Amino acid sequence: EVQLVESGGGLVQPGRSLRLSCAASGFTFDDYAMHWVRQAPGKGLEWVSGISWNSGSTGYADSVEGRFTISRDNAKNSLYLQMNSLRPEDTALYYCAKDLQPDDSSGIFDCWGQGTLVTVSS
Amino acid sequence: SYELTQPPSVSVSPGQTASITCSGDKLGDKYACWYQQKPGQSPVLVIYQDNKRPSGIPERFSGSNSGNTATLTISGTQAMDEADYYCQAWDSSAVVFGGGTKLTVL
Repeated sequence: EVQLVESGGGLVQPGRSLRLSCAASGFTFDDYAMHWVRQAPGKGLEWVSGISWNSGSTGYADSVEGRFTISRDNAKNSLYLQMNSLRPEDTALYYCAKDLQPDDSSGIFDCWGQGTLVTVSS
Repeated sequence: SYELTQPPSVSVSPGQTASITCSGDKLGDKYACWYQQKPGQSPVLVIYQDNKRPSGIPERFSGSNSGNTATLTISGTQAMDEADYYCQAWDSSAVVFGGGTKLTVL
């Protein structure tokens, strides 16, 4: 069974940093691209960032470009999101999501974690 | 940047057919997919590549995509289908979601 477990969320002041982690199991992690998607309280889904299976390609939403960095450690079956210069509008539930197709990034998310909540407030 | 537009809400009676639309410039030239999200739960993929169903998704869920509009159709809608539905597409190496549609079964 595929499992994605996010961690690292919490309350942080504006301008500070936070690092999210996603532990994956139940599939061959290094075959698949991975993504972060967030959802502000009571709002819709927003794609944040994605990374190819071998870390050779990354992408970011305009809203986080230059502030957030996605990375992965295939030896540890883990995905990360380094978030710097956090803003109140970054407050959201952050989901880790697995890409549907192996070896290529399709931008289709067939499995999601339960999310980790990030609150940016003074 | 690319935008996808969905109606905020759709209502349907049990057993009837619900249709949820998603509009975007030349959306038919891209692949669309759909996610279902129930309160307090993570999203679930229900349709991908316009009209394919992942394993475990009931046959009553179907999709189409042409021109500027993708449509999610739920035939014989059941109370358990009440949820938020999001369309999504891939544009210029960025993933775009629609704003979501709340489906009410009443």
